[in-house]
Amino acid sequence: AQSVTQPDIHITVSEGASLELRCNYSYGATPYLFWYVQSPGQGLQLLLKYFSGDTLVQGIKGFEAEFKRSQSSFNLRKPSVHWSDAAEYFCAVGPFEAAGNKLTFGGGTRVLVKP
Amino acid sequence: GAVVSQHPSWVICKSGTSVKIECRSLDFQATTMFWYRQFPKQSLMLMATSNEGSKATYEQGVEKDKFLINHASLTLSTLTVTSAHPEDSSFYICSASRGGGTEAFFGQGTRLTVV
Repeated sequence: AQSVTQPDIHITVSEGASLELRCNYSYGATPYLFWYVQSPGQGLQLLLKYFSGDTLVQGIKGFEAEFKRSQSSFNLRKPSVHWSDAAEYFCAVGPFEAAGNKLTFGGGTRVLVKP
Repeated sequence: GAVVSQHPSWVICKSGTSVKIECRSLDFQATTMFWYRQFPKQSLMLMATSNEGSKATYEQGVEKDKFLINHASLTLSTLTVTSAHPEDSSFYICSASRGGGTEAFFGQGTRLTVV
Protein backbone atom coordinates (compact mmCIF):
# COMPACT_ATOMS: atom_id res chain seq x y z
CA ALA A 1 0.00 0.00 0.00
CA GLN A 2 1.16 3.48 -0.67
CA SER A 3 1.99 5.89 2.11
CA VAL A 4 3.57 9.28 2.57
CA THR A 5 5.35 10.42 5.69
CA GLN A 6 6.17 13.96 6.65
CA PRO A 7 8.25 13.59 9.81
CA ASP A 8 7.98 17.21 10.92
CA ILE A 9 4.57 18.34 12.13
CA HIS A 10 5.70 21.91 12.82
CA ILE A 11 8.68 23.93 11.65
CA THR A 12 9.48 27.45 12.75
CA VAL A 13 11.85 29.45 10.61
CA SER A 14 13.01 33.05 10.62
CA GLU A 15 12.11 35.24 7.70
CA GLY A 16 14.95 35.18 5.20
CA ALA A 17 16.26 31.84 6.40
CA SER A 18 16.21 28.68 4.33
CA LEU A 19 13.52 26.06 4.66
CA GLU A 20 13.52 22.34 4.04
CA LEU A 21 10.48 20.12 4.46
CA ARG A 22 10.96 16.39 4.49
CA CYS A 23 8.84 13.84 2.69
CA ASN A 24 9.29 10.09 2.42
CA TYR A 25 7.05 7.85 0.40
CA SER A 26 6.29 4.21 -0.09
CA TYR A 27 4.77 3.32 -3.43
CA GLY A 28 4.65 0.12 -5.40
CA ALA A 29 4.65 1.60 -8.86
CA THR A 30 6.19 4.60 -10.53
CA PRO A 31 5.54 7.42 -8.09
CA TYR A 32 4.09 10.68 -9.22
CA LEU A 33 5.02 13.12 -6.48
CA PHE A 34 3.52 16.47 -5.60
CA TRP A 35 3.84 19.25 -3.08
CA TYR A 36 0.85 21.38 -2.15
CA VAL A 37 0.47 24.42 0.08
CA GLN A 38 -2.66 25.24 2.04
CA SER A 39 -3.09 28.69 3.49
CA PRO A 40 -5.79 29.29 6.11
CA GLY A 41 -9.22 29.29 4.54
CA GLN A 42 -7.81 28.46 1.14
CA GLY A 43 -7.77 25.37 -0.96
CA LEU A 44 -4.69 23.38 -1.82
CA GLN A 45 -2.38 25.00 -4.32
CA LEU A 46 0.04 22.92 -6.34
CA LEU A 47 3.66 24.02 -5.80
CA LEU A 48 5.42 21.50 -7.99
CA LYS A 49 5.41 17.95 -9.20
CA TYR A 50 7.80 15.23 -10.29
CA PHE A 51 7.38 12.14 -12.38
CA SER A 52 10.51 11.70 -14.45
CA GLY A 53 13.61 13.39 -15.74
CA ASP A 54 15.71 15.85 -13.80
CA THR A 55 15.45 14.97 -10.14
CA LEU A 56 15.53 18.61 -9.07
CA VAL A 57 12.27 20.29 -9.96
CA GLN A 58 11.41 23.93 -9.74
CA GLY A 59 8.02 25.15 -8.66
CA ILE A 60 6.13 28.32 -8.02
CA LYS A 61 6.90 30.86 -5.31
CA GLY A 62 10.61 30.03 -5.37
CA PHE A 63 10.22 26.45 -4.14
CA GLU A 64 12.16 23.48 -5.41
CA ALA A 65 12.16 19.80 -4.57
CA GLU A 66 14.63 16.99 -5.06
CA PHE A 67 13.64 13.43 -5.80
CA LYS A 68 15.96 10.78 -4.39
CA ARG A 69 14.88 7.31 -5.39
CA SER A 70 17.43 5.57 -3.19
CA GLN A 71 16.04 7.31 -0.13
CA SER A 72 12.40 7.33 -1.26
CA SER A 73 12.38 11.01 -0.51
CA PHE A 74 11.03 14.14 -2.13
CA ASN A 75 12.10 17.04 0.07
CA LEU A 76 10.89 20.58 -0.52
CA ARG A 77 13.22 23.54 -0.16
CA LYS A 78 13.22 27.29 -0.36
CA PRO A 79 16.42 29.32 -0.02
CA SER A 80 14.85 32.33 1.68
CA VAL A 81 11.40 32.28 3.21
CA HIS A 82 8.98 35.16 3.27
CA TRP A 83 6.33 35.79 5.91
CA SER A 84 3.71 34.83 3.32
CA ASP A 85 5.13 31.30 3.22
CA ALA A 86 3.56 30.57 6.59
CA ALA A 87 1.09 27.82 5.75
CA GLU A 88 0.63 24.08 5.83
CA TYR A 89 2.49 22.02 3.28
CA PHE A 90 1.47 18.60 2.05
CA CYS A 91 3.48 16.05 0.15
CA ALA A 92 1.45 13.62 -1.92
CA VAL A 93 1.89 10.67 -4.22
CA GLY A 94 -0.50 9.55 -6.91
CA PRO A 95 -0.94 7.03 -9.69
CA PHE A 96 -1.14 9.60 -12.45
CA GLU A 97 1.09 12.23 -13.89
CA ALA A 98 -1.70 14.74 -13.64
CA ALA A 99 -1.87 16.43 -10.28
CA GLY A 100 -4.78 16.10 -7.91
CA ASN A 101 -5.99 12.69 -9.03
CA LYS A 102 -6.51 10.03 -6.32
CA LEU A 103 -3.72 11.32 -4.15
CA THR A 104 -2.28 9.85 -0.99
CA PHE A 105 -1.19 12.69 1.26
CA GLY A 106 1.32 12.97 4.04
CA GLY A 107 0.26 14.35 7.39
CA GLY A 108 1.35 17.85 6.54
CA THR A 109 3.94 20.22 7.98
CA ARG A 110 2.86 23.53 9.41
CA VAL A 111 5.40 26.27 8.79
CA LEU A 112 5.57 29.27 11.07
CA VAL A 113 7.67 32.24 10.01
CA LYS A 114 9.24 34.48 12.66
CA PRO A 115 9.84 38.11 11.76
CA GLY B 1 -8.94 29.41 -15.29
CA ALA B 2 -9.55 26.16 -13.39
CA VAL B 3 -11.37 27.53 -10.39
CA VAL B 4 -13.13 25.16 -8.03
CA SER B 5 -15.46 26.50 -5.39
CA GLN B 6 -16.98 24.78 -2.41
CA HIS B 7 -20.03 25.86 -0.51
CA PRO B 8 -20.41 26.38 2.33
CA SER B 9 -16.96 27.18 3.69
CA TRP B 10 -18.08 26.12 7.13
CA VAL B 11 -21.22 24.64 8.60
CA ILE B 12 -22.42 23.68 12.04
CA CYS B 13 -25.22 21.16 12.29
CA LYS B 14 -27.00 19.23 14.99
CA SER B 15 -26.33 15.56 15.50
CA GLY B 16 -28.73 13.44 13.49
CA THR B 17 -29.31 15.94 10.73
CA SER B 18 -27.95 15.80 7.20
CA VAL B 19 -25.77 18.39 5.56
CA LYS B 20 -24.94 18.93 1.90
CA ILE B 21 -21.65 20.27 0.61
CA GLU B 22 -21.34 21.54 -2.94
CA CYS B 23 -18.29 21.46 -5.18
CA ARG B 24 -18.46 23.50 -8.35
CA SER B 25 -16.07 23.94 -11.22
CA LEU B 26 -16.59 27.55 -12.22
CA ASP B 27 -14.80 27.80 -15.52
CA PHE B 28 -14.43 24.28 -16.86
CA GLN B 29 -16.38 21.08 -17.19
CA ALA B 30 -15.37 18.60 -14.53
CA THR B 31 -15.82 15.05 -15.70
CA THR B 32 -14.17 13.70 -12.57
CA MET B 33 -14.28 14.93 -9.01
CA PHE B 34 -12.60 13.64 -5.88
CA TRP B 35 -13.70 14.07 -2.29
CA TYR B 36 -11.21 14.09 0.59
CA ARG B 37 -11.59 14.33 4.34
CA GLN B 38 -9.12 15.74 6.83
CA PHE B 39 -9.48 15.03 10.52
CA PRO B 40 -7.81 17.43 12.96
CA LYS B 41 -4.06 17.04 12.99
CA GLN B 42 -4.26 14.32 10.36
CA SER B 43 -3.72 14.14 6.64
CA LEU B 44 -6.20 14.36 3.82
CA MET B 45 -7.75 11.01 3.01
CA LEU B 46 -9.43 10.21 -0.28
CA MET B 47 -13.06 9.28 0.31
CA ALA B 48 -14.42 8.74 -3.15
CA THR B 49 -14.08 9.40 -6.85
CA SER B 50 -17.07 10.52 -8.86
CA ASN B 51 -17.52 10.65 -12.60
CA GLU B 52 -20.31 12.70 -14.09
CA GLY B 53 -23.40 10.62 -14.62
CA SER B 54 -22.02 7.56 -12.83
CA LYS B 55 -22.11 6.21 -9.33
CA ALA B 56 -19.24 7.25 -7.14
CA THR B 57 -16.44 4.85 -6.30
CA TYR B 58 -15.74 4.82 -2.59
CA GLU B 59 -12.46 4.04 -0.90
CA GLN B 60 -12.27 1.16 1.51
CA GLY B 61 -13.76 1.97 4.86
CA VAL B 62 -15.92 4.85 3.65
CA GLU B 63 -19.63 4.27 4.16
CA LYS B 64 -21.40 5.01 0.92
CA ASP B 65 -24.80 5.17 2.59
CA LYS B 66 -23.56 7.80 4.99
CA PHE B 67 -21.62 9.91 2.53
CA LEU B 68 -23.85 10.32 -0.49
CA ILE B 69 -22.11 11.70 -3.54
CA ASN B 70 -23.98 13.02 -6.53
CA HIS B 71 -22.27 14.22 -9.69
CA ALA B 72 -25.23 14.97 -11.86
CA SER B 73 -23.72 17.72 -13.97
CA LEU B 74 -20.34 18.60 -15.41
CA THR B 75 -19.94 21.52 -13.04
CA LEU B 76 -21.40 20.28 -9.78
CA SER B 77 -20.82 17.46 -7.36
CA THR B 78 -22.42 17.25 -3.95
CA LEU B 79 -21.47 15.38 -0.82
CA THR B 80 -24.27 14.78 1.65
CA VAL B 81 -23.37 13.64 5.12
CA THR B 82 -26.45 11.84 6.32
CA SER B 83 -27.43 11.56 9.98
CA ALA B 84 -24.28 13.39 10.96
CA HIS B 85 -22.63 12.69 14.28
CA PRO B 86 -19.83 14.49 16.10
CA GLU B 87 -17.29 12.01 14.78
CA ASP B 88 -18.11 13.23 11.27
CA SER B 89 -16.77 16.65 12.17
CA SER B 90 -13.96 17.20 9.75
CA PHE B 91 -12.61 19.29 6.91
CA TYR B 92 -13.99 18.11 3.58
CA ILE B 93 -12.29 19.17 0.36
CA CYS B 94 -12.96 18.36 -3.25
CA SER B 95 -10.88 18.43 -6.37
CA ALA B 96 -12.13 18.50 -9.94
CA SER B 97 -10.63 17.63 -13.29
CA ARG B 98 -11.63 17.60 -16.91
CA GLY B 99 -10.99 13.88 -16.84
CA GLY B 100 -8.75 11.87 -19.09
CA GLY B 101 -5.92 12.02 -16.60
CA THR B 102 -5.72 15.81 -16.53
CA GLU B 103 -4.87 17.87 -13.49
CA ALA B 104 -7.46 18.14 -10.74
CA PHE B 105 -7.85 21.46 -8.95
CA PHE B 106 -8.87 21.82 -5.33
CA GLY B 107 -11.66 23.77 -3.77
CA GLN B 108 -11.12 25.74 -0.58
CA GLY B 109 -12.72 23.11 1.61
CA THR B 110 -15.67 22.95 3.98
CA ARG B 111 -15.28 22.67 7.72
CA LEU B 112 -18.13 20.65 9.19
CA THR B 113 -18.82 20.72 12.91
CA VAL B 114 -21.51 18.44 14.28
CA VAL B 115 -22.78 19.34 17.74
